[in-house]
Amino acid sequence: EAGVAQSPRYKIIEKRQSVAFWCNPISGHATLYWYQQILGQGPKLLIQFQNNGVVDDSQLPKDRFSAERLKGVDSTLKIQPAKLEDSAVYLCASSLRVGDRVADTQYFGPGTRLTVL
Amino acid sequence: DAKTTQPNSMESNEEEPVHLPCNHSTISGTDYIHWYRQLPSQGPEYVIHGLTSNVNNRMASLAIAEDRKSSTLILHRATLRDAAVYYCILRDYGTSYDKVIFGPGTSLSVIP
Repeated sequence: EAGVAQSPRYKIIEKRQSVAFWCNPISGHATLYWYQQILGQGPKLLIQFQNNGVVDDSQLPKDRFSAERLKGVDSTLKIQPAKLEDSAVYLCASSLRVGDRVADTQYFGPGTRLTVL
Repeated sequence: DAKTTQPNSMESNEEEPVHLPCNHSTISGTDYIHWYRQLPSQGPEYVIHGLTSNVNNRMASLAIAEDRKSSTLILHRATLRDAAVYYCILRDYGTSYDKVIFGPGTSLSVIP
């Protein structure tokens, strides 16, 4: 079974530039998550999709971050404009959904390491 | 949202058992206890989860206190490949979406 794919793996940009990350979840997984992981910290959930709808984006800085999941499969996360403090690893994860409740396991991709200069 | 606390770091000798503790004193009745680990330069991977009873799988064992306010992840024989950051998190199965809070985790070093 193919895992969660993310691209690019690394990205270096200057502050005030824009950047986009792409995620392809495991086939059939209805739930998709984007996390931000700053060096030395645990992952922080930014946004959660159920199929192509957002179910939680309470931690997403909406003035500069946006995310979409068209057709309920692939997803993109965008930062515009980037700030120095956005330097982090951006992780995508997916999970099955069992009825009305969350699934047992989240499967994570390798992440995209963003450096903002 | 319920949170967990873990020691920042632990060390173990290779081939010895490792007990990684986690405190979750504000756990609710619908919270499952999950453990993930993150190897260097990789995304987190699932290790084990449980609700009330102790659980075993091929990777580890999970011991849950009777009052559910703490748990311990047990690696029976640590190997060098077990060196990672281990996260204890609570996932509320009573809601329709995840309310996941990762703490800083425990960084496990394995000494050859």
